[in-house]
Amino acid sequence: AQSVTQLDSQVPVFEEAPVELRCNYSSSVSVYLFWYVQYPNQGLQLLLKYLSGSTLVESINGFEAEFNKSQTSFHLRKPSVHISDTAEYFCAVSDQGYQKVTFGTGTKLQVIP
Amino acid sequence: GAGVSQTPSNKVTEKGKYVELRCDPISGHTALYWYRQSLGQGPEFLIYFQGTGAADDSGLPNDRFFAVRPEGSVSTLKIQRTERGDSAVYLCASSSSGPYNEQFFGPGTRLTVL
Repeated sequence: AQSVTQLDSQVPVFEEAPVELRCNYSSSVSVYLFWYVQYPNQGLQLLLKYLSGSTLVESINGFEAEFNKSQTSFHLRKPSVHISDTAEYFCAVSDQGYQKVTFGTGTKLQVIP
Repeated sequence: GAGVSQTPSNKVTEKGKYVELRCDPISGHTALYWYRQSLGQGPEFLIYFQGTGAADDSGLPNDRFFAVRPEGSVSTLKIQRTERGDSAVYLCASSSSGPYNEQFFGPGTRLTVL
């Protein structure tokens, strides 16, 4: 069985400040990890993914996440947030690629001007 | 280009009624997924289709829930004898064939059971 824990339900941060959204997972087999974002009144979008290879993965809008197998973590970071980053972020895990993905409960990132 | 569409966007029904939720995937996508997102929770996997057949329906909570995809394109999620606990946003996603192709999500159908 696989599970995802996002301990922070809400994270307020000032604009241009750094942010880290925490994600820990459990999985008994090989793992694939994802971060999805849901902007207000929009559908879920894939932000970044770890399927294999480099443990540090990046998105096109400046977010990055590092797969840490020993700590079973996949924290999401951005060095300087923008107002437009205000959204809900979901960490997710799978042992079958995109099939049967297990999502965390989400973290609402509120960027304060 | 057209993304995944879901209809209706909102559905209000009474306890005990039957509902159907529709998903139109991206053209050419052979894989289709249904998820349920309850308030304050992340999406929860329900069922996955590859073509016309359900490849994995282990997430369906009970036999009141059923989904079909008769022609390998549009899918319908059917809920019989709805209960208040069925209230949630039902999400559909589609992808190209294969487990490593990105899923694209629709906007969801918000179901409210009174």
